[in-house]
Amino acid sequence: DIQMTQSPASLSASLGETVSIECLASEGISNSLAWYQQKPGKSPQLLIYGASSLQDGVPSRFSGSGSGTQYSLKISGMQPEDEGVYYCQQGYKYPYTFGAGTKLELK
Amino acid sequence: QVQLKESGPGLVQPSQTLSLTCTVSGFSLTSYNVHWVRQPPGKGLEWMGRMRYNGDTSYNSALKSRLSISRDTSKNQVFLKMNSLQTDDTGTYYCTRDTIYSSYRGFDYWGQGVMVTVSS
Repeated sequence: DIQMTQSPASLSASLGETVSIECLASEGISNSLAWYQQKPGKSPQLLIYGASSLQDGVPSRFSGSGSGTQYSLKISGMQPEDEGVYYCQQGYKYPYTFGAGTKLELK
Repeated sequence: QVQLKESGPGLVQPSQTLSLTCTVSGFSLTSYNVHWVRQPPGKGLEWMGRMRYNGDTSYNSALKSRLSISRDTSKNQVFLKMNSLQTDDTGTYYCTRDTIYSSYRGFDYWGQGVMVTVSS
């Protein structure tokens, strides 16, 4: 199985700060990577697919980048509604696998 | 509009079988893949398995011996059955979908989830 190592496990950001979350795959996944945001008691919401494509309706302050085994999610200007847990997920090979999650809080 | 909704028992006894239904609307099961994902309380997401648009299935190898996914396209429903439940199977179970494009597009719609507790 492909292991997805996500970092950091948690972080705290000030209003307007730029935040980055990293995801490392145990083997190349050819940009078959998605990022999700999950708020307490809610279902995950798709933010980014194909490593860098913004899902419809997602604010443009969210962006994704990377290739091969290394990927990242950037939030350019932290907002209060961005608090939550973020997960990366590979859709390259079954079984699909998720990172362990990054809990983002507003400082 | 696109909707997925999980249904099933909230409480299952240890060693028993879990049966969940995902009822979809706004899209066809013959045009999209439907997946099951679960989440233990306070923990991360685990992919369980998939019903492909053409009826093929794939399973998480850790669950394969206990898990079965099927569907009824006439009722727009996908079913999950998992036997020999234990307490660590407690969690929220989601159904979600992805597209059949050649490039990966992620899980774009999710159900609200159903909480399942395994306890005697």
